Amino acid sequence: RKEVEQDPGPFNVPEGATVAFNCTYSNSASQSFFWYRQDCRKEPKLLMSVYSSGNEDGRFTAQLNRASQYISLLIRDSKLSDSATYLCVVHFGNEKLTFGTGTRLTIIP
Amino acid sequence: EPEVTQTPSHQVTQMGQEVILRCVPISNHLYFYWYRQILGQKVEFLVSFYNNEISEKSEIFDDQFSVERPDGSNFTLKIRSTKLEDSAMYFCASITSWGSPLHFGNGTRLTVT
Repeated sequence: RKEVEQDPGPFNVPEGATVAFNCTYSNSASQSFFWYRQDCRKEPKLLMSVYSSGNEDGRFTAQLNRASQYISLLIRDSKLSDSATYLCVVHFGNEKLTFGTGTRLTIIP
Repeated sequence: EPEVTQTPSHQVTQMGQEVILRCVPISNHLYFYWYRQILGQKVEFLVSFYNNEISEKSEIFDDQFSVERPDGSNFTLKIRSTKLEDSAMYFCASITSWGSPLHFGNGTRLTVT
């Protein structure tokens, strides 16, 4: 099983719709979880950390399910500017933070 | 907001040549990283650096790679003898403390010809 796994997509979603991504991780001892977005040929940028109780930042909601070892990202009222690749990042407790392959999202006008 | 800065933004080199990629992490950060991303592929961990030594490295980080923090501000990645397959975007990142999110620089695109 891959350490961090994401559906690569692409997800093509009409503007205004709600879209959700999941990310599964292999190590139950994982400690920290993050969602990043990456625009084409740019660096990853932190979208939000994921907390055990779930957290929301505007149109974005992140959830953590430790029992099933996945995290999710929900985007409501999607905008054209949300088009990007969304990266799941997991800190397993060693030094490195491990990236998923990313899920590509395109918002269609 | 403080930033991680990387230079150069693009480096073209011939196979077999040495390259040094430079990074200035955020000043109060304690952990420093190099990641790479081959075009169209995932972001891959190379090495982490803490307390002036390598704390972890991946299988990609072989004897051709080395890192240094020579003066307390710069953090460099050296590739001794570049190969075609080293062509990628190299990202430097830093974190303030254990478990906190990575802050990335804007990357150096390395092209080996």
